[in-house]
Order: sequence, then structure tokens, then C-alpha cells
Amino acid sequence: GAVVSQHPSWVICKSGTSVKIECRSLDFQATTMFWYRQFPKQSLMLMATSNEGSKATYEQGVEKDKFLINHASLTLSTLTVTSAHPEDSSFYICSARDPGVHFEKLFFGSGTQLSVL
Amino acid sequence: GENVEQHPSTLSVQEGDSAVIKCTYSDSASNYFPWYKQELGKRPQLIIDIRSNVGEKKDQRIAVTLNKTAKHFSLHITETQPEDSAVYFCAAMMYSGGGADGLTFGKGTHLIIQP
Repeated sequence: GAVVSQHPSWVICKSGTSVKIECRSLDFQATTMFWYRQFPKQSLMLMATSNEGSKATYEQGVEKDKFLINHASLTLSTLTVTSAHPEDSSFYICSARDPGVHFEKLFFGSGTQLSVL
Repeated sequence: GENVEQHPSTLSVQEGDSAVIKCTYSDSASNYFPWYKQELGKRPQLIIDIRSNVGEKKDQRIAVTLNKTAKHFSLHITETQPEDSAVYFCAAMMYSGGGADGLTFGKGTHLIIQP
């Protein structure tokens, strides 16, 4: 399948600081990437759709000023959690598809476990 | 928007027995239904998927069935093994051919294989 790389794998930060998470498509170009959040023992909830060269589309209830998304190239999207608080602690995971090869199949990055102290 | 319901939330079966997980969806326009397996702290892995023009698909011990009329689809795992223990998610989507179509996930089923 298509390879999606994400880092860091885990990060611990102090409350009030900002954290940047990177998502890369390694063997294909992704005009769209998806950012999900997953709390312990819960499902994956779509936060936003990242669009190369344009603004991200955020799901209802997700604060766009808190979760900044930048998709500056066809292989890289970043999610920055600004002024992180303990309630932002979660597993963040990106995904993308290569429709030219794998059609509708969606592949995931390895995820980032964020812990805010 | 799409809404996906998944049952059961936890399923415990004896090793060697079969496991069945069921999902329903709300949007009749959805045409793609994947299943993902996720181990603790790891990324979801696509294990099988089915398109709406197919009623059943099988890959070794794993099979998926789809009933479009009833808007439900199921995952079947036969001859379960300890390594099948994980959380399984179903999902649904209307795929229109581009990269921007998103998936809606069910809440997940924690499958426990008892030795």
C-alpha cells in the first residue's frame, strides 16, 4: 500500500506550549490529507481535511485557531497544536490516499501520542 | 452526513472459533466499506474492503458481506488465532474518484481471542 510517515511518535510538553506534528506521503503525492484524533478506547474522529495550497476544512467543533494545519507541498502536511492543555492529550493520526494507484483505499501514518503536562 | 453504528463493542471468542462484527450505515450514497485492525498504540491497518457493487469478498480467514438494501455490512473471521486480538473498526464513505473523500468510522470492536 501507500506509505504515510508521521512524526514524532510521541511528545510530552508543558501546558501552554505548541507542538508540531508532521505527516508525509513517501511514495506518492497527496493533494489531500486527513487528520484524526483518537482518545483512549475510542474511535477515530476526523478533525480536519488538509488541502494542498489552500485552507484546511475543519469539522464542526474543532477550533481552527488551536489546531493549525499547513499543507505547503504535495507530500507534507503539518498539524500544530497551539497553547496545548492537558485536555489536548490524545493520539493524533494522519491519513492519505493515492487514488491513481490504490483508488479509494486510505492509509494511515503511525500516529503521534501527545501528552500535555 | 454519514453515521456508522458498530456492534458489539467487545467480543470474546475461543481460539479457533469464528468472530462476527456488524455495522450499519445511514447514507445510501456510500459505496465503499473498509475494515481496519488496530493494535494498541499502533496505526489502523486496512485488512479488507468492499465496494457497493459486490455482495461478498473473502481473503483467507477474513470475509466481508454487504447488504445494500438493509445498509449493513459484516466482518467475519474464521479459525481465530491469538494474533487476531485487536480493535476492529468499520467505516463507510461515498467515493467519487478523488483524494478528498473522507471516511466515517464506527466506534470499534475490541476482539479478544481466548486461548
